[in-house]
Amino acid sequence: EAQVTQNPRYLITVTGKKLTVTCSQNMNHEYMSWYRQDPGLGLRQIYYSMNVEVTDKGDVPEGYKVSRKEKRNFPLILESPSPNQTSLYFCASSPPGRGDYNEQFFGPGTRLTVL
Amino acid sequence: EDKVVQSPLSLVVHEGDTVTLNCSYEVTNFRSLLWYKQEKKAPTFLFMLTSSGIEKKSGRLSSILDKKELSSILNITATQTGDSAIYLCAVVGGYQKVTFGTGTKLQVIP
Repeated sequence: EAQVTQNPRYLITVTGKKLTVTCSQNMNHEYMSWYRQDPGLGLRQIYYSMNVEVTDKGDVPEGYKVSRKEKRNFPLILESPSPNQTSLYFCASSPPGRGDYNEQFFGPGTRLTVL
Repeated sequence: EDKVVQSPLSLVVHEGDTVTLNCSYEVTNFRSLLWYKQEKKAPTFLFMLTSSGIEKKSGRLSSILDKKELSSILNITATQTGDSAIYLCAVVGGYQKVTFGTGTKLQVIP
């Protein structure tokens, strides 16, 4: 089944403890992206990647890191989480941006709480 | 800075009504505009509109892109309670950077 998977789905952690949220897709998509969703603010793009070893900042990259060593995986790293990073996180992927191919497929989401 | 604004923020209608949701944008190097439906989980794709495809329809849902006015509308006819959700508009700009609006929350009551 074509899908985007994220792990963990729920995470409660404490300030300053490094964590990684994994994202994997099995559709051979080149484009992958991370979003956070907060009430009243909608979905905001954190980082995106148009291909292996190519990453770019979105609108809210501060406090996050990403890497794209393989096409299928795009982990989100919080080196020193803070309470303002408490949010619902979505990973998404899409085929290459030629013509009409920009539809994004979303993962199930990771609800992160930083105490 | 790219910007996407959706209106109204929320809407309550009765089953059978027709609704129109609005999305306006200011984006550098516009590539496409997408509509998503979000219930209590991840967004699911509805439509993508581009310069070469400015009108899409699927069942009771339809959408139009107005490139001159930098806006789009999503129409839902004969609404059902299952249409209750948050409807998100997103615009893809240069380098495939994606900007979402804050969404329109639609509630359909019997």
